[in-house]
Amino acid sequence: KQEVTQIPAALSVPEGENLVLNCSFTDSAIYNLQWFRQDPGKGLTSLLLIQSSQREQTSGRLNASLDKSSGRSTLYIAASQPGDSATYLCAVHTGTASKLTFGTGTRLQVTL
Amino acid sequence: GAVVSQHPSRVICKSGTSVKIECRSLDFQATTMFWYRQFPKQSLMLMATSNEGSKATYEQGVEKDKFLINHASLTLSTLTVTSAHPEDSSFYICSAETSGTYNEQFFGPGTRLTVL
Repeated sequence: KQEVTQIPAALSVPEGENLVLNCSFTDSAIYNLQWFRQDPGKGLTSLLLIQSSQREQTSGRLNASLDKSSGRSTLYIAASQPGDSATYLCAVHTGTASKLTFGTGTRLQVTL
Repeated sequence: GAVVSQHPSRVICKSGTSVKIECRSLDFQATTMFWYRQFPKQSLMLMATSNEGSKATYEQGVEKDKFLINHASLTLSTLTVTSAHPEDSSFYICSAETSGTYNEQFFGPGTRLTVL
């Protein structure tokens, strides 16, 4: 059974800092991995999707990497801003069943 | 990106009533939609996979007679919580999967259900 863990559970940084969020998964036979952002009481916004054959994806200040063999992904946020404050979730798509298994999330707060 | 809507965004009902939640893919067709449940400060738990024109596939522990799912068209799936009780109060989120080489899921804004 696929299990996804995210570290740290919560993170507070001052504005302007670069930061890294970590995601690990137990079954390396994944189809793809997605990073999402969730604001309080809201749905999920897809940030980046990395296919199993890819090593990284970039979108603006965000860069996600994938090391499938070691079961790890990182989300790098450059020059953090208060508007980046949210919960960040990673999810892995395992096999062909189209199911996403979600991590426990990292609550990020960027302070002024 | 693809847009998924949910209606209603918030519902409060009395115990014993049934509540229907709609999930629509607005600018793409989705043969597969998913329903998730999220408790406060917890991650999303998949409840069921909804396929257009066929019966939904429920995850272990999810009562199919309690949570009725209908996927009548390529753009609409509904979740009906039957005879709702306070323990059914939760945040329900749907997603729709794009077809093609990259199966990416796009999520709706969620529905907050409160059962009194």
